[in-house]
Formats: sequence, C-alpha cells, structure tokens
Amino acid sequence: QQQVKQSPQSLIVQKGGISIINCAYENTAFDYFPWYQQFPGKGPALLIAIRPDVSEKKEGRFTISFNKSAKQFSLHIMDSQPGDSATYFCAASEGGSQGNLIFGKGTKLSVKP
Amino acid sequence: DVKVTQSSRYLVKRTGEKVFLECVQDMDHENMFWYRQDPGLGLRLIYFSYDVKMKEKGDIPEGYSVSREKKERFSLILESASTNQTSMYLCASSSPPGTGYNGYTFGSGTRLTVV
Repeated sequence: QQQVKQSPQSLIVQKGGISIINCAYENTAFDYFPWYQQFPGKGPALLIAIRPDVSEKKEGRFTISFNKSAKQFSLHIMDSQPGDSATYFCAASEGGSQGNLIFGKGTKLSVKP
Repeated sequence: DVKVTQSSRYLVKRTGEKVFLECVQDMDHENMFWYRQDPGLGLRLIYFSYDVKMKEKGDIPEGYSVSREKKERFSLILESASTNQTSMYLCASSSPPGTGYNGYTFGSGTRLTVV
C-alpha cells in the first residue's frame, strides 16, 4: 500500500505565483519529512526537511507546512520561477529504525514565464 | 563535489544479458540504496544495504541482485535483462539516524534501455 500519498501529479504555475504540493501519510511513527527536487537528467536532491516538533519551516522561497493531527504536510514555493520547474518528491521515515525513506510518487512542476 | 557516482549515464543492453550497474559514494555512509524511477510510479526501492556484505530486499527485488563487498561500493545486477527493466536507476546513500542523518544523497542516475 502507498504510505505517502502526494498530489497533484502535475502542476502548472505562472511566474511569480505560489506552487503548493501536498502529501498525506498514515504511519504516526514517521518523524522525518523531507522534500526532494529533481531536475531532468539529475538525481533527486534534498531541498528542505521538517521534523514533527514544528509546524512550519522556511528556507528562502520554500516553506514546509506540517499538520500533525491531519497527518499532512505540504511544500509551498513562493514567487515561483521558471528555474523551479522540476519534479518534487515528498518522503517520510521513522528515525528510530534504520530510517528508510518512503517516497511519494512525485509532482512535476512547470512554471510558465 | 560529486559524492555519489554512478558509473554510466546511459546504457543499452540486449535482452538476456547480465548487466552490472555500479555506484560509489565518498561520504563514508553506511546505508546504500538502489531505486528505479518510472513515469507515474515514482521511486521504487529495489534493494538496500546497511553494511558491507549485507543486503535487504526492497519493494521490487525480482529480477535483480546486489553486491556490497566494500563500504563505498554498491552494485546492482540484472541477472538476465528484460525489456521491462528499461528504466532510470538511481543509487543513494545515507548515514543512519542519530549519526548526523541528513537524508539521502542520490547519484545522477543510469538510464538503462534493454532492447
């Protein structure tokens, strides 16, 4: 079964707009929630991550919002730029175990100039 | 500044061939992983390893095997390549939680085509 559900599968945003990608999980033991960014022809790279003791983490134009009670977390990209066009993966893991990441299926973001 | 290196960016192999995909990391990570990436299916875990000579099956191990003889090297083996193994293969490494864990570092991937 899919433990991390990501939506939407694809997203088109105008330059300067806000991109929002959502993820939901079931396993309440998850305690680490990263987002990865993947450009064409490259491997995914860690973008930003959050642990469940905080509700929000911001790094530049990228923000993770975390709702523990709803078991949801989301990535917000403010002032989206064409250079943000990439595939984004959310993930989750249990730190107490070996920490294998469970990935969502990815969202392909296109930012139009 | 390359930290996870996959030996080939593109490979074309014939059905039935034995295929080796190599991955080397220079970060002294204990954990290494092999994924395949297909459109609409995301990243699917094939095999992983927490230590030298140790391996664990992931979600889709059928048709694959792995080898980890040295800490820095993790090889994926397709015993008899088939067309349904045409895919992008990604290697990743990480340190265990509690030891400065900071997620996975991925290689750039190997695009394998089986004809």
